Amino acid sequence: DQQVKQNSPSLSVQEGRISILNCDYTNSMFDYFLWYKKYPAEGPTFLISISSIKDKNEDGRFTVFLNKSAKHLSLHIVPSQPGDSAVYFCAAGQDNNDMRFGAGTRLTVKP
Amino acid sequence: DAGVIQSPRHEVTEMGQEVTLRCKPISGHNSLFWYRQTMMRGLELLIYFNNNVPIDDSGMPEDRFSAKMPNASFSTLKIQPSEPRDSAVYFCASSIFGQGGEQYFGPGTRLTVT
Repeated sequence: DQQVKQNSPSLSVQEGRISILNCDYTNSMFDYFLWYKKYPAEGPTFLISISSIKDKNEDGRFTVFLNKSAKHLSLHIVPSQPGDSAVYFCAAGQDNNDMRFGAGTRLTVKP
Repeated sequence: DAGVIQSPRHEVTEMGQEVTLRCKPISGHNSLFWYRQTMMRGLELLIYFNNNVPIDDSGMPEDRFSAKMPNASFSTLKIQPSEPRDSAVYFCASSIFGQGGEQYFGPGTRLTVT
């Protein structure tokens, strides 16, 4: 039972353009959401988070948007850089502890 | 800080053999998580511990899987007997309970069961 879904297994964008990665969740009790980035042969690393009291959080080139009514969040990367090429995991949970992850989206940024 | 340490990094074993994966969390972290990554299901939470106590093991696929955390600095995930469908990358992660949900992942153990 996938409580967190990333329906796009892959995404390819041109360097300098915007990358938009999407994530949907089913559990309305989830109140904390994170994005992780994973390079090959490494563990995922934390990228950015948002709590349910906000609808936007920005950190440099990365912005996460949360639409609670739609149970949807997205990660925007602008401008995209070749070093952003990685697998991005969306995670959601309750009480800041037990997080559930999506299947991941592989982003490729072409020079 | 060395981060989360996992061993071995790679394990190749034959079907039916016992496999033990090891994890050392970041010092001071009191939550520990075991995940399995597959192409089909992404990152699946298998089990997690708070203060060395298993809290939720509903993600453990079968009785063949077991996990222990005898102390705050060590955890094991054991598969006995192993099967080819267990082949995956297994990640351990640790965190400080209640502090933002951010988990720190180890490099993973790639398990291949032939």
